Order: sequence, then C-alpha cells, then structure tokens
Amino acid sequence: NAGVTQTPKFQVLKTGQSMTLQCAQDMNHNSMYWYRQDPGMGLRLIYYSASEGTTDKGEVPNGYNVSRLNKREFSLRLESAAPSQTSVYFCASSEIAANYGYTFGSGTRLTVV
Amino acid sequence: DQQVKQNSPSLSVQEGRISILNCDYTNSMFDYFLWYKKYPAEGPTFLISISSIKDKNEDGRFTVFLNKSAKHLSLHIVPSQPGDSAVYFCAASGIYNQGGKLIFGQGTELSVKP
Repeated sequence: NAGVTQTPKFQVLKTGQSMTLQCAQDMNHNSMYWYRQDPGMGLRLIYYSASEGTTDKGEVPNGYNVSRLNKREFSLRLESAAPSQTSVYFCASSEIAANYGYTFGSGTRLTVV
Repeated sequence: DQQVKQNSPSLSVQEGRISILNCDYTNSMFDYFLWYKKYPAEGPTFLISISSIKDKNEDGRFTVFLNKSAKHLSLHIVPSQPGDSAVYFCAASGIYNQGGKLIFGQGTELSVKP
C-alpha cells in the first residue's frame, strides 16, 4: 500500500541546473497535483492534472513544467533551477473532486545553491 | 492575495486541554473545507472535512465548525494529546474549481505539552 511515491527525497542543485521530480500513485486516482511548501506561505499549487492527458497551471507555475506520463505518473521539471526554487515539494493525488481529500507523498526537499 | 488564511503561526496547549485552530477565507464560492495534519519529514494527511451545507462535523476528538457569514472555520481538539503536536493546514475548494484543486492556508504549528 505505497500510496503516493516521490523521488528523490533530497536534492541539492546548482543554479542553472535542471532536474525532474518524479511522482507515482497506485490508487487509480484521476487527479494529481504538485505543491511547494515554504515557511509562512503554506502549500501553494504549482501545476495540476485533472485527468490523464490534461495539465493546468496553478498559483505559482513560473520556472516549472509538468508531464502527466500516464494515469499513475506526474513529473515536475525544473529547466534552470534558481535559489528561489529552494523548497519542499509535495505531490498529491485524489479522486475526481477534492471532497474526497488528497493523498500526499512524503515530499522532496530541494536546495538550489 | 491569500484566499485562505491562518493568522496564528503557532499554538501551545497543555495536555488534556482544548486546542482551537482558526482559519479565515475570502472567497464566498468555496463550498468544501478540509483540515490536514503534517508531521516533520512527512506529507500532510487528511484529518476532517466539512461541507458548506453544514456548520459542524465531528470525528472523535476532532470537531470542525464553519461560520459561513463570517467566512471562518475552526478545528477543536478535545482533549489534546502530545501526539497531536504537528502543523495543521486548513484548505478550501469550490465546486467550480477545475480538477477539484485545494487552496491551503499557511499552517499553524500546534505544540501539546505533557
């Protein structure tokens, strides 16, 4: 019963480097989300995918791209990392509507130096 | 433009007493509200929710109250236990939000002292 799995758990990047954060869920959920958590800012939505084949911008999409590879997997890519992207990133999945609640992964702590 | 606000970054309570965590929202289109609990180095986990057609929902020691006219909700934990020490996020969604996405508050760190 893995739920939502995120890799890697920790990453240090240099400014300008690129990387992809991976997320996979095994609950057959339709919707998937990427959030970032920063002190005093709570959880802010970066991108989401309401269903396989669709993606949409959230509140803070600049500097990120996403791919909904299939129903299980939703990846987040940083093309040219900046120190402002230092954060903890959470992937989540849910049934069609949020009323059912999200299931979150354990997070990726990213530091950009 | 913070649509969901938790104005208290932290709260300290004695074990056995009541913990009250507050949350305010600005968007009158929100119709579903949730509370999540987060321990360090873990993802948030769903705790309790309430629909806008209700003003109260209970689940064991946890009760959520909704005051729509004031655009305010609160989470009551009675009695508080040391294991309740965590960061609590309130979240809101609206039926017209595509994908059912949630808008989260900043979080309140609860510390329950033995």
